[in-house]
Amino acid sequence: DIQMTQSPSTLSASVGDRVTITCRASQSISSWVAWYQQKPGTAPELLIYDASNLQSGVPSRFSGSGSGTEFTLTISSLQPDDSATYYCQQYNSITWTFGQGTKVEVK
Amino acid sequence: QVQLVQSGAEVKKPGASVKVSCKTSGFTFITYDINWVRQATGQGLEWMGWMNPDSGNTDYAQKFQGRVTMTRNTSISTAYMELSSLRSEDTAVYYCVRRGNSPDYWGQGSLVTVSP
Repeated sequence: DIQMTQSPSTLSASVGDRVTITCRASQSISSWVAWYQQKPGTAPELLIYDASNLQSGVPSRFSGSGSGTEFTLTISSLQPDDSATYYCQQYNSITWTFGQGTKVEVK
Repeated sequence: QVQLVQSGAEVKKPGASVKVSCKTSGFTFITYDINWVRQATGQGLEWMGWMNPDSGNTDYAQKFQGRVTMTRNTSISTAYMELSSLRSEDTAVYYCVRRGNSPDYWGQGSLVTVSP
């Protein structure tokens, strides 16, 4: 199975900061990566698909990049509402795998 | 609009089975794969398996082989996930997820609690 290694596991940043979360795949997965935001008690919400495409309705401060084995989610200007856990996911094959998650705290 | 509405919370005893439903609307049911993902409290996301609603073909994560069954009723645009021989470690929220070109819509989740 393809492993997704996500870092950091937690981060704390201030409003307005630029924040970056990274995922590394154990083998090349082209651009078959999604990023999700999850708040407590709710289902994950799709932010980015195909590594860099912004899902409709998602604020433009979210962006994704990468291909092959290295992928990045960037929040250009962190807002209080961005406090959540973020997950990467690969869907290169029928079998999906997720990163371990990054908990983002907004100071 | 696209909706995946799941069945309510369940409490089961160890060794029992649970069947979670995922009723879809707002799209043509047979043209999108349905996946199931679970999340134990405070833990990450775990893929369980996949079903093609048109053919009924399935593929399950090795961890759940022999215990999980994914089915559908195309007449009511509903997918089902049944997990048997439940143990305490199966206590989790179970999600159905639609996949077109990418995974996009998730159900609201169904909490399954396994407790004596």
